[in-house]
Amino acid sequence: ETGVTQSPTHLIKTRGQQVTLRCSSQSGHNTVSWYQQALGQGPQFIFQYYREEENGRGNFPPRFSGLQFPNYSSELNVNALELDDSALYLCASSLDYNEQFFGPGTRLTVL
Amino acid sequence: GESVGLHLPTLSVQEGDNSIINCAYSNSASDYFIWYKQESGKGPQFIIDIRSNMDKRQGQRVTVLLNKTVKHLSLQIAATQPGDSAVYFCAEPRGGSYIPTFGRGTSLIVHP
Repeated sequence: ETGVTQSPTHLIKTRGQQVTLRCSSQSGHNTVSWYQQALGQGPQFIFQYYREEENGRGNFPPRFSGLQFPNYSSELNVNALELDDSALYLCASSLDYNEQFFGPGTRLTVL
Repeated sequence: GESVGLHLPTLSVQEGDNSIINCAYSNSASDYFIWYKQESGKGPQFIIDIRSNMDKRQGQRVTVLLNKTVKHLSLQIAATQPGDSAVYFCAEPRGGSYIPTFGRGTSLIVHP
């Protein structure tokens, strides 16, 4: 196991709702990246946080936002949920910009 | 644009056989590649990486080969075991960072 934990493991929401997903980094790591993985696809980069600042963003709309806290844990918030947001959301932590260690993911279903 | 893709979506092998998973990339300037293994219900796990100044790198039961001429890399798994059953991704980190760009993945199924 990597030491990266995510909560909840599964979540069901309806279209238009908002959701918050949480990630605890591996001890000693200061960088967190979030990915969306649709069924049968590879993970797609959403954004990265380094020492509480957003440090890079993929091709996702502004309704995907995040936070990193002083203890380097992180949240991913998604507003105005759409059906296509149904996916596995992965968090990965690293020390600076080195090798990333992935958590088990949160499975989000939007109905 | 940059892309990382895989030739086969599913590979079935018998336990004990060697497995070869292929990956093509399009950015000739790419200088670093990573292979990940993702088991059901888990996040991707780093297996092995290779830099563009190398043609081959070996790990425990795994070997990655890089052919820069045809922009192709492969992951070879020796004596494949049932525990090797997973989806395998090659990934190309974005612009000097370790943020990987993943392809679709190849599902490896190992039959006992």
